[in-house]
Amino acid sequence: DAKTTQPNSMESNEEEPVHLPCNHSTISGTDYIHWYRQLPSQGPEYVIHGLTSNVNNRMASLAIAEDRKSSTLILHRATLRDAAVYYCILRDRSYSGGGADGLTFGKGTHLIIQP
Amino acid sequence: DVKVTQSSRYLVKRTGEKVFLECVQDMDHENMFWYRQDPGLGLRLIYFSYDVKMKEKGDIPEGYSVSREKKERFSLILESASTNQTSMYLCASNSGDNEQFFGPGTRLTVL
Repeated sequence: DAKTTQPNSMESNEEEPVHLPCNHSTISGTDYIHWYRQLPSQGPEYVIHGLTSNVNNRMASLAIAEDRKSSTLILHRATLRDAAVYYCILRDRSYSGGGADGLTFGKGTHLIIQP
Repeated sequence: DVKVTQSSRYLVKRTGEKVFLECVQDMDHENMFWYRQDPGLGLRLIYFSYDVKMKEKGDIPEGYSVSREKKERFSLILESASTNQTSMYLCASNSGDNEQFFGPGTRLTVL
């Protein structure tokens, strides 16, 4: 599986935008970029995913570089509830097993929100 | 509100005990997963199931077994618990290749 690289931690102020970077220089053409986050004492939760185009949903936006070697998760207005570990992972859609394919999380980025 | 529930948030067992961790999902998902999460090692897949009575080994199946007798329930079994199985255990489910929904986790301590 292609690997991702994220900063260990980032700090931001409440109600300001947050840009969480992820490098994936060995990404393949069939890899989707997924983001999950894990709040303290909770299981991970899905945030967003994309392939080539930028994506928006109610939680965040995902900006994907033109060469797809990096991406940025954007929280438009961070709140204290967004303090979590954010994981950027790649999912190969050429996998023949369909959805029964486990996730592999690295260390992620620990996002700290200051009030 | 979709839900994955796990039988216990915290569990303390002794070495050699048989341990059952239960997971239930109410979303009619065909796929269910068991992971463990350890500091510095990230999330690792133990077993998964893509249908009732079907199971596949993940990356670290040694020392574990699973059971899926009903679609909504996926059990993780530690036949003889050991101290190196002290960990956070996470259950997840999904349908097709959609995002996975995780339970709150069970923090297991084996003494």
